[in-house]
Amino acid sequence: EPEVTQTPSHQVTQMGQEVILRCVPISNHLYFYWYRQILGQKVEFLVSFYNNEISEKSEIFDDQFSVERPDGSNFTLKIRSTKLEDSAMYFCASSVGQGGRNIQYFGAGTRLSVL
Amino acid sequence: QKEVEQNSGPLSVPEGAIASLNCTYSDRGSQSFFWYRQYSGKSPELIMFIYSNGDKEDGRFTAQLNKASQYVSLLIRDSQPSDSATYLCADVTGGGNKLTFGTGTQLKVEL
Repeated sequence: EPEVTQTPSHQVTQMGQEVILRCVPISNHLYFYWYRQILGQKVEFLVSFYNNEISEKSEIFDDQFSVERPDGSNFTLKIRSTKLEDSAMYFCASSVGQGGRNIQYFGAGTRLSVL
Repeated sequence: QKEVEQNSGPLSVPEGAIASLNCTYSDRGSQSFFWYRQYSGKSPELIMFIYSNGDKEDGRFTAQLNKASQYVSLLIRDSQPSDSATYLCADVTGGGNKLTFGTGTQLKVEL
């Protein structure tokens, strides 16, 4: 069964460092997403991406964050200068289409620990 | 501010019983609702989604939607210990693609 793949599973970094989280969406999916979940809190939307452009972003997704589809398979989230409060699980998701009748499938997540 | 509300629980039910999980939403523009299951430390896994008023059944799971009351529920029949997890309710508004999640309800199925 096709799945969304995320690497690494756990990333430890020092405050102020740049990190890149990687995702390989399901191959025929056209819409890609990043969500994050701080420990003990709800899953929060960060950004959606379609046709090489950001289609929607949340207030959390400020100038420190960027997304890119560098090739035909990978989708990345970059955090330029990490803060302690960026420590969270980051989930990548993908869907065939957009709108309420399209299912978003989640990857296993990357746990980011900022020290 | 668009909100999806869930009781955090824990909700404890005996094995074999029906578990009833509830969710309310604030945005009348919300059109589709998703139930995800999340085991501790794992990613959300879709159980089912619903967009029409009424009931939708899939195996042991039934989702119920009442748009007039802005209320969604998930019933799990014949609950098993493996159903013990946090159940996340989420909605999508219109043609958008942002999932707005509730805090989740922790379900414990006891032997």
